[in-house]
Amino acid sequence: QSALTQPRSVSGSPGQSVTISCTGTSSDIGDYNYVSWYQQHPGKAPKLMIYDVNKRPSGVPDRFSGSKSGNTASLTISGLQAEDEADYYCCSYAGSYTYVFGSGTKVTVL
Amino acid sequence: QVQLQESGPGLVKPSQTLSLTCTVSGGSISSGGYYWSWIRQHPGEGLEWIGSIYYSGSTYYNPSLMSRVTISKDTSKNQFSLKVNSVTAADTAVYYCARGPGITARNFDYWGQGTLVTVSS
Repeated sequence: QSALTQPRSVSGSPGQSVTISCTGTSSDIGDYNYVSWYQQHPGKAPKLMIYDVNKRPSGVPDRFSGSKSGNTASLTISGLQAEDEADYYCCSYAGSYTYVFGSGTKVTVL
Repeated sequence: QVQLQESGPGLVKPSQTLSLTCTVSGGSISSGGYYWSWIRQHPGEGLEWIGSIYYSGSTYYNPSLMSRVTISKDTSKNQFSLKVNSVTAADTAVYYCARGPGITARNFDYWGQGTLVTVSS
């Protein structure tokens, strides 16, 4: 069970859009629509931002959206804001009641 | 509002057992509908799912850790616990407890603040 692959960092100016990719295999992302995304500010606990590939929990701005194609899931942040600067982690169900997280992506707001 | 709080020693000696407890408030671990999980984060690194327990007592573990890990629960105290045997420096991490995955929503929606456990002599 290897970690899902994410780019180490992405950046954008306020108001722009950024997209974070999360690449897995046919045994996790490719086989299930159970991808979730978490935002983590320094020293804080992760916060659920997206679940079931593209659903937003109550209270999460609609600037955050998710999608999936084949073995790769993506998180897009539209209209980037300063408070979006954080680390982001994807997570996928991997069968047999197991879960695998991504390696994490640092989003920098220029 | 569900709240989770980790507790336990912040320093463990190599080869000993790491033991942590998660106390849940605002929700019952015995009400069903959700698993309750442990997740860790090595310093400066990503998240790693350790394992989960259901109210029935069913447990599921990360295959890479399952030989050393035990998750249990105490419904009378609304707590669940983690034990990691034979620890090494590689087990140094921030350990989080979380609610989830749900039976229908397979995500982790509430998290504790995390507790740093250092393995060192």
